[in-house]
Amino acid sequence: DTAVSQTPKYLVTQMGNDKSIKCEQNLGHDTMYWYKQDSKKFLKIMFSYNNKELIINETVPNRFSPKSPDKAHLNLHINSLELGDSAVYFCASSPQGDRGYTFGSGTRLTVV
Amino acid sequence: RKEVEQDPGPFNVPEGATVAFNCTYSNSASQSFFWYRQDCRKEPKLLMSVYSSGNEDGRFTAQLNRASQYISLLIRDSKLSDSATYLCGSSWGKLQFGAGTQVVVTP
Repeated sequence: DTAVSQTPKYLVTQMGNDKSIKCEQNLGHDTMYWYKQDSKKFLKIMFSYNNKELIINETVPNRFSPKSPDKAHLNLHINSLELGDSAVYFCASSPQGDRGYTFGSGTRLTVV
Repeated sequence: RKEVEQDPGPFNVPEGATVAFNCTYSNSASQSFFWYRQDCRKEPKLLMSVYSSGNEDGRFTAQLNRASQYISLLIRDSKLSDSATYLCGSSWGKLQFGAGTQVVVTP
């Protein structure tokens, strides 16, 4: 039983396209996150949702739009993809309080 | 300046040896600290939380120094399977990571 699952695992697409990544967690956690890990391996937070409400929005281009239909799901839609968007995108979730996060296995996005 | 900084390494460690490395954080309001392990092309996995009094989990020992704003991880009796990148995390409502310290354990 996968705790945090993301789809797709790999995504190769052309510049200018629009794509979505989906994430689901079955841990009953209230908070979910999107992180981006670029080629230099730096893992950077993008967004956080708590019980469907956006609570963290780092300085991310507005081509990136997260959506949380319920507290178990957090999707990421990216418009007009650019070469610099190529990275691994990790979804994560956490329980109440400052406790460790559980990460999904990542979506490797390559923009060509 | 990054909020969480780590020596990227690599730390080349003979099997059975001890290795230790630190990470520094800039936000004094940080409440919680963690060490994560990330294998190549995989997701980060929680190794251990770091408590003020220091804590140990088997061969791994973590320490927190709030006055100097750093946390440390010590690995005793290194195994080949300890080869990975170790990410330091500091949280004040959101978990920020360092860029990771690579550890390579050699036979």
